[in-house]
Amino acid sequence: AQTVTQSQPEMSVQEAETVTLSCTYDTSESDYYLFWYKQPPSRQMILVIRQEAYKQQNATENRFSVNFQKAAKSFSLKISDSQLGDAAMYFCAYRYRGSQGNLIFGKGTKLSVKP
Amino acid sequence: DTEVTQTPKHLVMGMTNKKSLKCEQHMGHRAMYWYKQKAKKPPELMFVYSYEKLSINESVPSRFSPECPNSSLLNLHLHALQPEDSALYLCASRAGTDGVYGYTFGSGTRLTVV
Repeated sequence: AQTVTQSQPEMSVQEAETVTLSCTYDTSESDYYLFWYKQPPSRQMILVIRQEAYKQQNATENRFSVNFQKAAKSFSLKISDSQLGDAAMYFCAYRYRGSQGNLIFGKGTKLSVKP
Repeated sequence: DTEVTQTPKHLVMGMTNKKSLKCEQHMGHRAMYWYKQKAKKPPELMFVYSYEKLSINESVPSRFSPECPNSSLLNLHLHALQPEDSALYLCASRAGTDGVYGYTFGSGTRLTVV
């Protein structure tokens, strides 16, 4: 069975600084997708960034980037120039490629941003 | 329209009540999901609809009854709930068949059972 592990229940970062959230996963599949979702107090799950496992290049979206290490099954999220609006719960998620795959979430990391 | 809309945003119901949650999307997504989320926990999958047919039921108690009347609408009918069913209920939809773009989530319905 696939599992996703986020080992940092809480993280804190100073505004304008950089923070890295960790995520590891376990799967026997070779073709899958990885995602980072953000859930602010407004409750909506917002897709931050995604990575296709067959792509070696790390995904980037503005201030957000990932370090995808397929062999190590590691998928960390780096947030640069942290802003107050980045404060939220961050969930790492895995999905097997295919119509029957389902999104599997880690337990989440609560990120606080200090002014 | 790139949103998933859920109504109501908040719901308080007694254990003998019958109520329904509604989820709507107009993005042409043919897979829709219901998730239950307890405080400080990740979402837990409840139901999956694919092309308006129930494809996955994650052993959810029968007091939760999903319905997909058409490709844009997903309902969750609630009856005789227990206080432990109080949670945030999230709806999501998925573009394409392989999920490369992830899921689009609604803002959820905060349900309190009294």
